[in-house]
Amino acid sequence: GENVEQHPSTLSVQEGDSAVIKCTYSDSASNYFPWYKQELGKRPQLIIDIRSNVGEKKDQRIAVTLNKTAKHFSLHITETQPEDSAVYFCAASKMSFGNEKLTFGTGTRLTIIP
Amino acid sequence: DSGVTQTPKHLITATGQRVTLRCSPRSGDLSVYWYQQSLDQGLQFLIQYYNGEERAKGNILERFSAQQFPDLHSELNLSSLELGDSALYFCASSITGTPGTDTQYFGPGTRLTVL
Repeated sequence: GENVEQHPSTLSVQEGDSAVIKCTYSDSASNYFPWYKQELGKRPQLIIDIRSNVGEKKDQRIAVTLNKTAKHFSLHITETQPEDSAVYFCAASKMSFGNEKLTFGTGTRLTIIP
Repeated sequence: DSGVTQTPKHLITATGQRVTLRCSPRSGDLSVYWYQQSLDQGLQFLIQYYNGEERAKGNILERFSAQQFPDLHSELNLSSLELGDSALYFCASSITGTPGTDTQYFGPGTRLTVL
């Protein structure tokens, strides 16, 4: 089955600087890669996702890049703000009828230092 | 608020007991997913239902079972509880049940503590 590795497990960044979180996946057939943000005590919320037919997607201060050859994808947050502090999870899945489960990485605890 | 509801919010019980967690998906969503989140395991997919039928299965223990009812709400039954079952259990829902086609929206979770 799919295996997703996520690094780093913790990340501290000065407010205003950029943060990068990286994930690798094992199943070359995976073609859908969402990122979830989970604030303390709250539910995971989708912040951005990318499909394998594109290499990069951006939404305001958040961007995700995908390298299918190397089987890795990254989350980039620019101009970080205190409200970006949370745990971020990457995930991978196939977009197909049947065994369509999301496999999550182990999470990155991002702390923005004011 | 995602529109997905879960009850109860907190559950404290003893080893060997059985509990039922309940999830109501967003209006119009046909698919329900169950996840377990523990400190050392991250988010683990347990099982998915689509319009009443089981669609995908993850690392769900035999002591755990789930079902989705005709009104599309779902229940996760955990039996013969062990200390290691203490975790946050999330339910999520989506329209089609196919990742990438639409978004999975998570409920607020049920925190289970087994003493």
